[in-house]
Amino acid sequence: GDSVTQMEGPVTLSEEAFLTINCTYTATGYPSLFWYVQYPGEGLQLLLKATKADDKGSNKGFEATYRKETTSFHLEKGSVQVSDSAVYFCALSEPGFGNEKLTFGTGTRLTIIP
Amino acid sequence: GAVVSQHPSWVICKSGTSVKIECRSLDFQATTMFWYRQFPKQSLMLMATSNEGSKATYEQGVEKDKFLINHASLTLSTLTVTSAHPEDSSFYICSARGGSGGARETQYFGPGTRLLVL
Repeated sequence: GDSVTQMEGPVTLSEEAFLTINCTYTATGYPSLFWYVQYPGEGLQLLLKATKADDKGSNKGFEATYRKETTSFHLEKGSVQVSDSAVYFCALSEPGFGNEKLTFGTGTRLTIIP
Repeated sequence: GAVVSQHPSWVICKSGTSVKIECRSLDFQATTMFWYRQFPKQSLMLMATSNEGSKATYEQGVEKDKFLINHASLTLSTLTVTSAHPEDSSFYICSARGGSGGARETQYFGPGTRLLVL
């Protein structure tokens, strides 16, 4: 079945540091890939997505590129801020007939220190 | 943007009682809603998928008689935990996906409901 593997956290960085959170996937078809973020006490929010190979999703300074050859969708940000502290989830969705389900990774907790 | 609300945000109940959680899409019509369960420091596990006007589809290992899901309208789905026990204590999250436009492909998540069964 489908699966998503994320780098285990927690990850602690200083403000303005470069961030990479690794994500690889296993899927039978050609999935869409997502990064969701969960801020403390809040629900998940879609951060960015990519629907086909070589697409780059970007939002709020975060980027991730859909790499089919390495089955990866690593999340990057050039300079993190304290407000980026949250839990980040990588997820995939297989194309289907209207009920596409999301398969999530285990999440990576990110803490940014001033 | 698409907003999904959940009510209540947290609930404490006695073992053996039933608890109902509501999930509403506030500014779009949700043809499909999903219910997830999240354990501490773990990922979201899909419990069931519901389409408006039809029975929910439950994931393997999820008791449909234990977790009753109703999706009676395009803006409301409810999850009822029947005869709750302490092992049902968890964080329950719903998401909604609409039938057209930008909301069609993306799941929008509610803020979650924390359930504690004593």
